[in-house]
Amino acid sequence: GENVEQHPSTLSVQEGDSAVIKCTYSDSASNYFPWYKQELGKGPQLIIDIRSNVGEKKDQRIAVTLNKTAKHFSLHITETQPEDSAVYFCAANGRGGSQGNLIFGKGTKLSVKP
Amino acid sequence: DSGVTQTPKHLITATGQRVTLRCSPRSGDLSVYWYQQSLDQGLQFLIHYYNGEERAKGNILERFSAQQFPDLHSELNLSSLELGDSALYFCASSVAGQSYGYTFGSGTRLTVV
Repeated sequence: GENVEQHPSTLSVQEGDSAVIKCTYSDSASNYFPWYKQELGKGPQLIIDIRSNVGEKKDQRIAVTLNKTAKHFSLHITETQPEDSAVYFCAANGRGGSQGNLIFGKGTKLSVKP
Repeated sequence: DSGVTQTPKHLITATGQRVTLRCSPRSGDLSVYWYQQSLDQGLQFLIHYYNGEERAKGNILERFSAQQFPDLHSELNLSSLELGDSALYFCASSVAGQSYGYTFGSGTRLTVV
């Protein structure tokens, strides 16, 4: 079945450094790739997404890149701050892009040290 | 507040029991998705309803069932509960039947003892 792999599972950076989280997906027909941030005790919150007709998207300190040929996409956070500490999930839409459900990676726990 | 309401927030029950989790989607959203989140499995897709009809099923056990009512709220029923069913259960909603713009609720933490 469809699969999304996410690396690393944990990431620790100093405040001000950059953080990069990488994901690969298996279904070549997937065309929507969102990233979610989950803080302790809360539900996942959409922070940025990208569709397959775009190679890169930026929103202030976060950016996502997509390589459809290689079937991988990445989240880049620049100038990290302690409030960026959370678990981040990547996802891809399942079953050839026509179904509504998202397949999630297993998450990356990001710790930003002051 | 995401606009997606889940109740109850916490639930503790014994093995063999049955529970019902409730989700009210954001105003105007027609789709409801249910996910199970456990420590070792991440977010696992269970089931998707769109405007009252089942659209897709994921790794949902036969002991679990769901429905979406005419007012678009959804219920996830878990029966014959086992210790391994302890997890966070999230619902998410979106406007249409596609996955764009999922919004998650804050989840129900189920503990089976």
